[in-house]
Amino acid sequence: ILNVEQSPQSLHVQEGDSTNFTCSFPSSNFYALHWYRWETAKSPEALFVMTLNGDEKKKGRISATLNTKEGYSYLYIKGSQPEDSATYLCAFTGDNQGGKLIFGQGTELSVKP
Amino acid sequence: NAGVMQNPRHLVRRRGQEARLRCSPMKGHSHVYWYRQLPEEGLKFMVYLQKENIIDESGMPKERFSAEFPKEGPSILRIQQVVRGDSAAYFCASSLARGGYGYTFGSGTRLTVV
Repeated sequence: ILNVEQSPQSLHVQEGDSTNFTCSFPSSNFYALHWYRWETAKSPEALFVMTLNGDEKKKGRISATLNTKEGYSYLYIKGSQPEDSATYLCAFTGDNQGGKLIFGQGTELSVKP
Repeated sequence: NAGVMQNPRHLVRRRGQEARLRCSPMKGHSHVYWYRQLPEEGLKFMVYLQKENIIDESGMPKERFSAEFPKEGPSILRIQQVVRGDSAAYFCASSLARGGYGYTFGSGTRLTVV
């Protein structure tokens, strides 16, 4: 059974704090690792798709790293803002999965002004 | 480009009725995926379709659930004889190519079975 684990489950920070979350995934048959941002009542919004070991991606104040050999990815948010409050999902695609995403449970981030 | 369109946004059905959920993929996308989020759970894969073909239905319950993606028109997820345990949010995603690149999600259909 393919398992994707995210930690922490929830996080409460103050505006301006920097934060990071972890996603653990199977290290064998790796194809891609996806990060999504999901606000209540909206559709998950793609942040990054990462495929290469050592990959680092950045979008504004949000960045992500990937280690496929040990099976983990970190998502970093620098200087959190209240509008960053959302659930952050990671999802794994195996090279024999045909595009099917295996999601973690998500990290719920709350940023207080 | 209107993105992935799902309708209805909310659907209420009585036990034993049928539920039909529709998903129109992004223009040019021929790969469609359905996911389900049960209460207090994460998103779980149900089925992957490519125009007129079911590619992977390993996440779909064996009974009462079916999916199609006809040559013309939206993809349909059909649940027959709904039960309370089918109450969930059902999300559809589409992509341009196999492999999960350019995955775009719809806003979901929230099914409530009363």
